Amino acid sequence: AQRVTQPEKLLSVFKGAPVELKCNYSYSGSPELFWYVQYSRQRLQLLLRHISRESIKGFTADLNKGETSFHLKKPFAQEEDSAMYYCAPQWSSGGSNYKLTFGKGTLLTVNP
Amino acid sequence: DTGVSQNPRHKITKRGQNVTFRCDPISEHNRLYWYRQTLGQGPEFLTYFQNEAQLEKSRLLSDRFSAERPKGSFSTLEIQRTEQGDSAMYLCASSRWRTGTRTGELFFGEGSRLTVL
Repeated sequence: AQRVTQPEKLLSVFKGAPVELKCNYSYSGSPELFWYVQYSRQRLQLLLRHISRESIKGFTADLNKGETSFHLKKPFAQEEDSAMYYCAPQWSSGGSNYKLTFGKGTLLTVNP
Repeated sequence: DTGVSQNPRHKITKRGQNVTFRCDPISEHNRLYWYRQTLGQGPEFLTYFQNEAQLEKSRLLSDRFSAERPKGSFSTLEIQRTEQGDSAMYLCASSRWRTGTRTGELFFGEGSRLTVL
């Protein structure tokens, strides 16, 4: 069965500390993976996608097919990183119709 | 363009009433998605359209839910005979899809919050 898991509902770190938000997925094919973020009082928006292999706002995420993980990392957290983060694999439930599926999210709080 | 627009932003209704939400996507986007989000959960897929065609509908969506996208522009999501369990944030998103790609980046609206008393 297709499943995406974000094991931590809450994550609290101090400013300047490294942060890692975990995401594991279960899918027999090759998913495309995304991280979406929702800042306080803002709409949900794309943070980064694995195929771009980019760093956005200092965040990176590496797709580990062996461990079926797509953890989000940042070496030095900033207070403005405080937000809800959703891991979002894109996969098909059959045929060529792909859709984005969201994990339950991790609320990151960066303390001063 | 101000992005994806949804209205009403908030709707309070009594159980058994019908409600309708509207979504105006980004103008050049051909795909439009509806998601539902309840407290402590991530957005849950409901249905999506490519232009005016409804391509997929979640099995979780009961017959009381219907969505349309006439003329491939704005979309409406109607819930008939609302139940307390329908209370949630209803999110709309749009994307520009091209042949040979999967979904691409979704641009979300601010959502329509439904409270069923």
